[in-house]
Amino acid sequence: EPEVTQTPSHQVTQMGQEVILRCVPISNHLYFYWYRQILGQKVEFLVSFYNNEISEKSEIFDDQFSVERPDGSNFTLKIRSTKLEDSAMYFCASTPGPLGESPLHFGNGTRLTVT
Amino acid sequence: KNQVEQSPQSLIILEGKNCTLQCNYTVSPFSNLRWYKQDTGRGPVSLTIMTFSENTKSNGRYTATLDADTKQSSLHITASQLSDSASYICVVSARTGTYKYIFGTGTRLKVLA
Repeated sequence: EPEVTQTPSHQVTQMGQEVILRCVPISNHLYFYWYRQILGQKVEFLVSFYNNEISEKSEIFDDQFSVERPDGSNFTLKIRSTKLEDSAMYFCASTPGPLGESPLHFGNGTRLTVT
Repeated sequence: KNQVEQSPQSLIILEGKNCTLQCNYTVSPFSNLRWYKQDTGRGPVSLTIMTFSENTKSNGRYTATLDADTKQSSLHITASQLSDSASYICVVSARTGTYKYIFGTGTRLKVLA
């Protein structure tokens, strides 16, 4: 069964550094998402992406965050200047159609640790 | 405010026993409700979806119920197995133009041999 893949599985970075989290969504999916989960807390929506542009973003997704689909397969999340509170699991997800019509297919996440 | 509350927060049961997880929501306008299973260190995986008109839906040993009047859902696991140890997350979808998914905090289930 096709799956969403994320790399790296674990990223450690120093405060103020830039990080790029990478995702390869399921190949025939058209909608892409980033979520995060701070340890022990609920999954939180960051951003959705469709047709090469952001379709929706949350309050968490401020100017420090950006997303890009640099080629036909990758979908990236960049955090420009990491803060301690950015430490979390970051999940990429994709759906074949609009959200609500099918379940989110999540990757296994990237654990980001900011020191 | 749209909210999804789950109980219990954590649960320990012996292998072979049954258990029921609860989800209460205040989400409007309600579109559907999904239960996800999240193994430790992995992404959530959808188990089942409930729409407004559905009361019960089964997926193997998992049975989900929905009471749209009281805004409650439950996930019943029959004859638990060690592999059922995971977090179970209730996710309610609201449609306000676009869909929004509201996640619960999850129930952490541990099945002991």
